[in-house]
Amino acid sequence: QKEVEQNSGPLSVPEGAIASLNCTYSDRGSQSFFWYRQYSGKSPELIMFIYSNGDKEDGRFTAQLNKASQYVSLLIRDSQPSDSATYLCAVPRMDSNYQLIWGAGTKLIIKP
Amino acid sequence: EAGVAQSPRYKIIEKRQSVAFWCNPISGHATLYWYQQILGQGPKLLIQFQNNGVVDDSQLPKDRFSAERLKGVDSTLKIQPAKLEDSAVYLCASSLRREEEREQFFGPGTRLTVL
Repeated sequence: QKEVEQNSGPLSVPEGAIASLNCTYSDRGSQSFFWYRQYSGKSPELIMFIYSNGDKEDGRFTAQLNKASQYVSLLIRDSQPSDSATYLCAVPRMDSNYQLIWGAGTKLIIKP
Repeated sequence: EAGVAQSPRYKIIEKRQSVAFWCNPISGHATLYWYQQILGQGPKLLIQFQNNGVVDDSQLPKDRFSAERLKGVDSTLKIQPAKLEDSAVYLCASSLRREEEREQFFGPGTRLTVL
């Protein structure tokens, strides 16, 4: 079992709909989670960071954590074509080397 | 605040040739990472520096890859000799060393093609 798993997609969502991206993690002790967005040919950029103390909303983006089932979701409301990208989930490695364990990413396509 | 700088942006070489990549992290960021990203995959950590010391190079193919970070600022990643499977994007990232600040900031990357 991989430490951080994501469905590679592509996930196709109509413009204006809600896009839901999931990420499962293996270490039950994980406390924080990162969502990065990576446009084609570009480098990853952070869009959401969530601690284990609850959901987080930032504009059209919401990150939700389900600790019992060990997955974290990223919801994108009112999806726009500019949201088309690969979304990478990352979880800090528990041995405090300040490393992130990366998922392979989910490719999201927003259809106009 | 200036971001992470990398050069070159693109490089095409033939197998068995050598290549070097340069990275300048965000000012004040003690931790520097080199990643290899193959199309369709997440970033794979090659080496992590804390100031000018190596924290983790367990996934660095040391028979052909080397990296250094002189004076705890700029870093260079070298491949000698290159193989076809080294074709990838090489990403440099930096971060502050704080428990509550684990965000990694990425440079634009170097796209390497080995022919």
